[in-house]
This record gives sequence, C-alpha cells and structure tokens, in this order.
Amino acid sequence: AQKVTQAQTEISVVEKEDVTLDCVYETRDTTYYLFWYKQPPSGELVFLIRRNSFDEQNEISGRYSWNFQKSTSSFNFTITASQVVDSAVYFCALSEEETSGSRLTFGEGTQLTVNP
Amino acid sequence: GAVVSQHPSWVICKSGTSVKIECRSLDFQATTMFWYRQFPKQSLMLMATSNEGSKATYEQGVEKDKFLINHASLTLSTLTVTSAHPEDSSFYICSARDALGHHTDTQYFGPGTRLTVL
Repeated sequence: AQKVTQAQTEISVVEKEDVTLDCVYETRDTTYYLFWYKQPPSGELVFLIRRNSFDEQNEISGRYSWNFQKSTSSFNFTITASQVVDSAVYFCALSEEETSGSRLTFGEGTQLTVNP
Repeated sequence: GAVVSQHPSWVICKSGTSVKIECRSLDFQATTMFWYRQFPKQSLMLMATSNEGSKATYEQGVEKDKFLINHASLTLSTLTVTSAHPEDSSFYICSARDALGHHTDTQYFGPGTRLTVL
C-alpha cells in the first residue's frame, strides 16, 4: 500500500533562514508521481511541483528546490532565504498509476512558520 | 490555467438539513474530480472519486447515501451532504484532473468549502 510520511509536524524558522521539509514515501509501483502542495491559512491547496518516478533530476524554481532520491524513497523540499509569506502547511503526496488509479495519498503535512 | 472553483466558500446550516457544494473547473475539462475532507490540523482524506457520466467511487467508511456526488458535465461536480449533523462540520475540498492537458495526472484543487452544522 502507498504511504507518505512527513516526520516534521511543525518547523519554526527566522526569516532568511533556509529550511528543508522532509518527505519519505512507500510504494510498490514502478510508475508513480510525487507532488508538493502548499496550504496557506486561507485553506486553498496550491500546486508546487510534480515529479514522476523516472525523473530523478533535482529541480529549482526561484527560492524553492526539490531533491528526489529513489534510493532512499525521499522527495525533500528546500526553501532558501525563507520569507514570512512562506508560512503555511506543506503537504507531500504520492500518486500510483498502476494500483490506485492516480488517487493521491497525502502525508500528514508540515506546518512551517517563518518569523520576522 | 488549471483553475478550480468551489461554491459556496462557507456555509452554516441547521442539523438535519442538506447542503450542496459545487466544484467547477474553469478553464479545462475534468473527466475525474475528487472530493476530500479535512478536519482541523489534519491531512486531507479522500472521500470519493467522481467520474463524468458514471457513478462515483467512494472510499471505505464513507456513506454514499449521505454524501451524494453528481458529475454531470466535464466541468462540474457536486457534493450534497444529506441530513447534516454537527460531526459533518469540516473543510471540504475538491480537485480536478485536466483530461486533455499536458499533465493529466496532476490534481488542481479548489479553494475549499467550510461547512458548519449547528
């Protein structure tokens, strides 16, 4: 069965610090997709990134970067030079094509608080 | 692109009444939509998968007669909470997959509907 673990329940940093949010997943499929979503206090989930299981290249988008390592089943998310507006709950999610018809399984989320 | 709307954004109702929540994909066609429920400080839990023109698939433990889902078109799915009770109070979020887009596996989420049952 698919499972996503975000071991960090809450993280608090001071503005301009770098912060890494961890995500570890379990799956039996060879084809799967990993996602990160941001949920600000307003509640809406904002799509950040999608990565398929055959693409292990790390990705950078502005202050955001993602490190996908199949060997450790991890898909970690780093925010560089954090800002107060980054404060939100961040969810890592997994979708399996073969066994679950692209249903998303979410981790428990990490509450990030960036203090001025 | 890939915008999903929900209506209403919040609703307060009396116990025993029914509430309908609409989920619309505004700029793409969605053959599949999903309904989630999120309790405070918890993750999203999938309630059901809604396929256009067919019956919804409910997750284990979700009462199909209580949470009625209709997906009548490629841009609209509705969730009706029938005979709502205080324990149904929650944040309901829908998502949609772009059937024709480049990333058909990506779900785009609506802004959510906060339901409070008195």
